[in-house]
Amino acid sequence: GAVVSQHPSWVICKSGTSVKIECRSLDFQATTMFWYRQFPKQSLMLMATSNEGSKATYEQGVEKDKFLINHASLTLSTLTVTSAHPEDSSFYICSARRAGPLANTEAFFGQGTRLTVV
Amino acid sequence: KQEVTQIPAALSVPEGENLVLNCSFTDSAIYNLQWFRQDPGKGLTSLLLIQSSQREQTSGRLNASLDKSSGRSTLYIAASQPGDSATYLCAVLIQGAQKLVFGQGTRLTINP
Repeated sequence: GAVVSQHPSWVICKSGTSVKIECRSLDFQATTMFWYRQFPKQSLMLMATSNEGSKATYEQGVEKDKFLINHASLTLSTLTVTSAHPEDSSFYICSARRAGPLANTEAFFGQGTRLTVV
Repeated sequence: KQEVTQIPAALSVPEGENLVLNCSFTDSAIYNLQWFRQDPGKGLTSLLLIQSSQREQTSGRLNASLDKSSGRSTLYIAASQPGDSATYLCAVLIQGAQKLVFGQGTRLTINP
C-alpha cells in the first residue's frame, strides 16, 4: 500500500502557542488530503479537506482560524493549531488518496499525532 | 445524511475462532466501502476496499462482503490470532461530497 507519513507522532505544547503538524504522501501525489480528529475511544471526525493550491474546505463547526491548513504541494499538507488550549488536546490524523477514479482508490492514513496542550 | 453503524462495539473471542464483524450504512449512494484496522495510539491501516459494483474482496485470512442494496458489509476473519486484536473501522466514501464516513468501530480482542 501507499505510504502517508505524519510528523510529529506526539507533541506537548504550552497553552497559547501554535503547533504545526505535517502530512506527506511519500510515494504518490495527492491532490486532496484530509484532516481528522479522534477523541478517546471514538471514531474519526473529519475536520477539513485540503486541496492542493487552493483553500481548504472545513466541516461545520470547525474553526478555520484556529486550525490553519496549507496544501502547498502535491505531497505535503500541514495543519497548524493556533493559540492552542487544553481542549485542543486530541489525536489528529491525516489521510491522502491517489488521483484516479474514486470507486477504486483507497484512502491511506498517517500514523497520527498526539497533541497535548498544558 | 449518511450514517454508518458497526455491531458489536466490542468482541472478545478465543484464538483460532472464525469471526464476523458487521457494518451497516443508511445511504447506498457510495463509491466504495473500506475496512481499516487501528491499533491503540496509531493511525489507520487499510485492510480491504470494495468498490460499489463489487460483492466481495479477499486478502489472506480476511474476506469482506458488500450488499449495497441492503446497506450492509461484513468483515470475516478466519482462524483468528492474538495479533488480530485491534479496533476495526468501516467507512463509506459517499458520492457528491466525496467524503469518508466512519462507523464507531469494533474493538476486537483475541485471547490466547
